[in-house]
Order: sequence, then C-alpha cells, then structure tokens
Amino acid sequence: AQRVTQPEKLLSVFKGAPVELKCNYSYSGSPELFWYVQYSRQRLQLLLRHISRESIKGFTADLNKGETSFHLKKPFAQEEDSAMYYCAPPGSMDSNYQLIWGAGTKLIIKP
Amino acid sequence: DTGVSQDPRHKITKRGQNVTFRCDPISEHNRLYWYRQTLGQGPEFLTYFQNEAQLEKSRLLSDRFSAERPKGSFSTLEIQRTEQGDSAMYLCASSKTSGRGDEQFFGPGTRLTVL
Repeated sequence: AQRVTQPEKLLSVFKGAPVELKCNYSYSGSPELFWYVQYSRQRLQLLLRHISRESIKGFTADLNKGETSFHLKKPFAQEEDSAMYYCAPPGSMDSNYQLIWGAGTKLIIKP
Repeated sequence: DTGVSQDPRHKITKRGQNVTFRCDPISEHNRLYWYRQTLGQGPEFLTYFQNEAQLEKSRLLSDRFSAERPKGSFSTLEIQRTEQGDSAMYLCASSKTSGRGDEQFFGPGTRLTVL
C-alpha cells in the first residue's frame, strides 16, 4: 500500500512565524505526492504537487527521498492559512494500490 | 460545469435501512473515486472507477457496500443494512488521466447519520 503519515494532528503558530507541516511516506517505487487543503466549510482542494515544484500561496514542499518526507513549509504564516492540510498519494493507481491518505494536520494561525 | 456534485448532501437513516448516494463528476474526467471520512481522520479510500470499470476496491470494504458507474459518467454508492458505524462523510472525487499523478477534484460530500 502507498501510505503517508502526518505525525501532528494539530499545529498552532503565530501570524508571521514559519510553518512546517510534516508528511512521511512509505512507498515502493518512485513516490508522487500531493498536499490538499480544506478551508472551513469548503471542499478539499489541491494545494500543490511535488512534480510541479511550484510555490502556491507561499507554500512549498520538497520531496526528500533520503528521509522519505514531503514536508510543507511556509516562511511567514498568515491567518488565512488556518485550515486542515492533508498529505496524499496521487489519484492514478496501479493494481493492488490502496490509497492511504494522511490523517491530516489542523493548522491554526494565531493573530 | 460547476465541479463535482453529490446528492444528497445530508442523509439520516435508521439502522438496517439501505441508502444510495449519487456523484456527478466533472464531465471530461474519466476517473472517479469514493472515500469515507470520519471525524479526525483523513479520507479513507473505498473504491475507484476508470470510465465504467471498477478497478479497485478497498480490502477493508464490507460486502454491504457497492458502487456502480454504469455509463462512465455519474456513479452511485449503495450501503445495505446500514449500521451506526457507517455514519461518516462520504466523498466523491474525479480526475482526468494524466501522464503522472492525477489531481483529484472533490465534491462537497454526503454526510450520513445512522440512528
């Protein structure tokens, strides 16, 4: 199974402070990972994917194969970043894959 | 196209009853997924379709759950003889085949409460 784990259920930081949301994966083969975000009363939506290597809303994530991690980072948190964040495998599947998402990290940005 | 839609948004039922949920994906998307999400957990994969073919089903999924996508467009998820443990948010997502790593577009979910 493609499994990702998010060790922190809750992360609370002050506005303007750096943020790092942790994600570790357990894969065979070359991993492809995503970060999804769910703002209050909105549906899950893609934040960023590792293959694009882009920065979205100031967030970046680097795939570290040595540490099997895909941590999400932002240098200066903003109040609108408060949301649930999920690390996830891709939607494409090969046989016998069982998509296992992380349990999510609730990010609270304090004013 | 306004994105993935799900119907109903809320369903309250009594234990033992059958329920059916519908998902309408984004029109050009060939892949469709069902997930279940309970409080404090991430989405739990249930099953997956490519066009009308059901290619994968969670090994943890009870036989009481069945899903169809008869014409490769909308999909239905049926739960027979519901149990209180089935209470959850049921999410549908769709994607379009790409070279690597499909982005999934999610619907708003159907919240099921089994009394």
